[in-house]
Amino acid sequence: GNSVTQMEGPVTLSEEAFLTINCTYTATGYPSLFWYVQYPGEGLQLLLKATKADDKGSNKGFEATYRKETTSFHLEKGSVQVSDSAVYFCALSQASGGSNYKLTFGKGTLLTVNP
Amino acid sequence: EAQVTQNPRYLITVTGKKLTVTCSQNMNHEYMSWYRQDPGLGLRQIYYSMNVEVTDKGDVPEGYKVSRKEKRNFPLILESPSPNQTSLYFCASRPQSVGGYTFGSGTRLTVV
Repeated sequence: GNSVTQMEGPVTLSEEAFLTINCTYTATGYPSLFWYVQYPGEGLQLLLKATKADDKGSNKGFEATYRKETTSFHLEKGSVQVSDSAVYFCALSQASGGSNYKLTFGKGTLLTVNP
Repeated sequence: EAQVTQNPRYLITVTGKKLTVTCSQNMNHEYMSWYRQDPGLGLRQIYYSMNVEVTDKGDVPEGYKVSRKEKRNFPLILESPSPNQTSLYFCASRPQSVGGYTFGSGTRLTVV
């Protein structure tokens, strides 16, 4: 079955540091890949997505590139801010069991950015 | 504003007392789904729906029911809640074409 593995947290950085959160996946064919962010006390928000190999998703200074050869979708940001403190989830979506486009999530990575 | 609206945000109930968590989306999405989020277990799909009157089980459907009588609404029903259903619940929707799910703000349910 499908699975997503993302780096264990928590990750603690200082403001303006470079961020990388690793994500690798197992799936057949070409799933769509996503990063979601969950701020404290809130629901999940779609941060960025990529639907085919070599696509780069980007939003709010975050980027991730769909690497089919390494089955990876690592999240990066060049300069984090305190407001980026949240839990980040890597996820994939692929039709399974007929037309169930279920999201398969990684366990989440807690990011804390200190001023 | 395009959104998925869940109610209530917080609910404390007693074992065995039937409850319904409502979910409504205003984006005319075909797909809707319910997830629960638990520490150490991540997010797991409970039920999903591909369109009106078309629903099916996800990974953890035991103890839950759903219905999809209208395209915009997808309520989650707990006929006889138990303490192991204490969790954070999310409703989500997406269009039929490839794309990400839009999530509601969540419902924190405590069953005592």
